Amino acid sequence: NAGVTQTPKFQVLKTGQSMTLQCAQDMNHNSMYWYRQDPGMGLRLIYYSASEGTTDKGEVPNGYNVSRLNKREFSLRLESAAPSQTSVYFCASSGGTSANEKLFFGSGTQLSVL
Amino acid sequence: AQSVTQLGSHVSVSEGALVLLRCNYSSSVPPYLFWYVQYPNQGLQLLLKYTTGATLVKGINGFEAEFKKSETSFHLTKPSAHMSDAAEYFCAVSFTGFQKLVFGTGTRLLVSP
Repeated sequence: NAGVTQTPKFQVLKTGQSMTLQCAQDMNHNSMYWYRQDPGMGLRLIYYSASEGTTDKGEVPNGYNVSRLNKREFSLRLESAAPSQTSVYFCASSGGTSANEKLFFGSGTQLSVL
Repeated sequence: AQSVTQLGSHVSVSEGALVLLRCNYSSSVPPYLFWYVQYPNQGLQLLLKYTTGATLVKGINGFEAEFKKSETSFHLTKPSAHMSDAAEYFCAVSFTGFQKLVFGTGTRLLVSP
């Protein structure tokens, strides 16, 4: 059972480079999310997609763009990476949009921007 | 604004000892409360959640938490720690409406032999 799959697991970028983090889920979930995790700050929501074809900003969207390619896939793009974007990025999904839904997380992408 | 506070970034216990991880929330509306666990180099996974009803919630791996509205708390406990419990634990809150969790800053549990 794959669940939520993220690629790549590790990435090093130079300031100004661009890249896309990929996320796919095989649970037929409607909702998908991107979080970043920084030491001492917990997880913060970057963007989310309540359903295929919709995306919305979370708490820290600046410097990022997202695409909900289809029901399975939700990508996160850094157009011009900055050192402040060094973080661990997690993709998650849930079956619906109710506030009491369980989130399923991928194993994360560790990104370093030099 | 709604928020979550976890007291103690690190908690150390001996194997077999009681585990107590503290979580307090701030909310003007009834919250849904969650505890997630993150093992090294893995994503988060749900331990337990409180939505409505019974205030004592039992989760996986012998953990439980009690929702105390008067204290705005949702502390996580386990009677006897095991080495495999060493991980980072996150308290989170959400509210009626769209599922957007607000996470606490996390507590790393260290278990010594």
